[in-house]
Amino acid sequence: DIQMTQSPSTLSAFVGDRVTITCRASQYITNWLGWYQQKPGKAPKLLIYRASTLESGVPSRFSGSGSGTEFTLTISNLLPEDFATYYCQQYNSYSWTFGQGTKVEIK
Amino acid sequence: QITLKESGPTLVKPTQTLTLTCTFSGVSLSTSGVGVGWIRQPPGKALQFLALIYWNDDERYSSSLESRLTITKDTSKNQVVLTMTNMDPVDTATYFCVYSNYGDPPGFWGQGILVTVSS
Repeated sequence: DIQMTQSPSTLSAFVGDRVTITCRASQYITNWLGWYQQKPGKAPKLLIYRASTLESGVPSRFSGSGSGTEFTLTISNLLPEDFATYYCQQYNSYSWTFGQGTKVEIK
Repeated sequence: QITLKESGPTLVKPTQTLTLTCTFSGVSLSTSGVGVGWIRQPPGKALQFLALIYWNDDERYSSSLESRLTITKDTSKNQVVLTMTNMDPVDTATYFCVYSNYGDPPGFWGQGILVTVSS
């Protein structure tokens, strides 16, 4: 299986900050990478697919970049509703895999 | 609008077989590109892909759980069924049904169903 490693595991930030989450794949996955936001008790919500394409309705303060094995999710101007857990997911291979998650907390 | 809803037992005993049903609307598994599958999340832990079935009967499984999983579809009922054999307490998790267009990650998720494995 392709392993996905996110960093950091937890991130503390202020409202208004710009934050970046990194996801590394154990194998080359081109740009077959998605990012999700999950709030407690809720299903994950797709934010970005194909590494950098914003899902319809997702605010433009979210952006994704990268290709191959290194990817980033950036949230500019953090809003109170952005405090949540974020997951990356590769869908390059037969069997999808997720990162372990990054919890974005209020500082 | 695509909606999905999971149904099945919320409590199963160790060694039993779990059967979950996903009933969906707004899309048909007879349409080219459509895929419906399952992802789970143990309490406080990360997401884990389980299985996916596409309109053309292409089936995908988690490498680590493939021997215990079977996914089937009933196109006429707009349902997908997941069976997982030999359940263990470590399989306690919220099980989500998801929709994916071929080549894209899951963009629609059900609300999830918490399944507890305990004697």
